[in-house]
Amino acid sequence: GDSVTQMEGPVTLSEEAFLTINCTYTATGYPSLFWYVQYPGEGLQLLLKATKADDKGSNKGFEATYRKETTSFHLEKGSVQVSDSAVYFCALRDSIQGAQKLVFGQGTRLTINP
Amino acid sequence: DSGVTQTPKHLITATGQRVTLRCSPRSGDLSVYWYQQSLDQGLQFLIQYYNGEERAKGNILERFSAQQFPDLHSELNLSSLELGDSALYFCASSPRPTGPTDTQYFGPGTRLTVL
Repeated sequence: GDSVTQMEGPVTLSEEAFLTINCTYTATGYPSLFWYVQYPGEGLQLLLKATKADDKGSNKGFEATYRKETTSFHLEKGSVQVSDSAVYFCALRDSIQGAQKLVFGQGTRLTINP
Repeated sequence: DSGVTQTPKHLITATGQRVTLRCSPRSGDLSVYWYQQSLDQGLQFLIQYYNGEERAKGNILERFSAQQFPDLHSELNLSSLELGDSALYFCASSPRPTGPTDTQYFGPGTRLTVL
């Protein structure tokens, strides 16, 4: 079945450091890919998405490119801030008819120190 | 604020009891999804409703059931509760059940603690 694998956390960085959170996926069809973020005590917020190969999703300085050849959707940010501290989830939704559920990775906890 | 509301925010109950979690989707959204977030299983899809009808089922236990009402709000019923049911339960909504660009918007969740 479909699955998503994220790099294990927790990840701790200093402010203004470069961030990469790796995400790879396995899917039977042609999935749409998502990054969601969960701030402490809150629900999931969509951070960015990409719906086809080579698409780049971007938002709030974060970027991720849909790489079909490597089945990856790594999240990057050039200069992180303390306010980026949160748990980040990579997810996919397959394109198979009726397959509307999101399949999530295990989440990566990110802590940014000032 | 995603526009998806969930009540209650916290729920503490005992083993063997039954609880109901409520979700109101974003205005205009017809599809509702339920997910469970637990420490050992991570985030898992439970069930989806579209315009009042069950659309897809995931890893939902037989002790759990859900429904979507004519006003489109949804309820997740959990019965014969066990310690392992303690988790954060999220509701999400989207405009329709199909479409590669459709986004699921999540509510703030209901934290269930079974003692």
